[in-house]
Amino acid sequence: DAGVIQSPRHEVTEMGQEVTLRCKPISGHNSLFWYRQTMMRGLELLIYFNNNVPIDDSGMPEDRFSAKMPNASFSTLKIQPSEPRDSAVYFCASSLDLGNNQPQHFGDGTRLSIL
Amino acid sequence: GNSVTQMEGPVTLSEEAFLTINCTYTATGYPSLFWYVQYPGEGLQLLLKATKADDKGSNKGFEATYRKETTSFHLEKGSVQVSDSAVYFCALRFTGRRALTFGSGTRLQVQP
Repeated sequence: DAGVIQSPRHEVTEMGQEVTLRCKPISGHNSLFWYRQTMMRGLELLIYFNNNVPIDDSGMPEDRFSAKMPNASFSTLKIQPSEPRDSAVYFCASSLDLGNNQPQHFGDGTRLSIL
Repeated sequence: GNSVTQMEGPVTLSEEAFLTINCTYTATGYPSLFWYVQYPGEGLQLLLKATKADDKGSNKGFEATYRKETTSFHLEKGSVQVSDSAVYFCALRFTGRRALTFGSGTRLQVQP
């Protein structure tokens, strides 16, 4: 079974550039989450969607960050303009929303380096 | 507020040693509790979970018991292997909230 698929796996770009991270959740899952992992702050929830609708975006650090989920099988996280402090590993996760006991399944992450 | 506290790592053990990674939480209410494992270069994988007090989650020789009285969910394994070397995250989720709250992670290094 295909798990959560993220692309790209690695991205290196110069500050000021636009960065787009992509995620394909597990088919049939209706909740999708974006996390950021850094050494300093650990794992932070940025935003999550349920049935393609953003439910909680309080973790999005600032207006430079935006996320969309145009359909049930695709989501993007965009940073524009990017800054060196955005360097981190960004994880996407999905879950089947049938109660609170459903685990989240994580992708392998996108390692982002902003120079 | 609601939070998860894990013991700091790295934890370094010899193969076949006994493992305990402590996890305590602060919460209003009764969350579900999870342990996730992250191997180098990979995403997090669910290791085990417990959804109510006194539940014991177990998988791959690991186990953890949901202790409401001590608000703890310590991870244990009787005999670790080199392949268990990874970062372990304790997490919780509250009723009505889909997102997980993670601890800071504990790195385990098992030496042959």
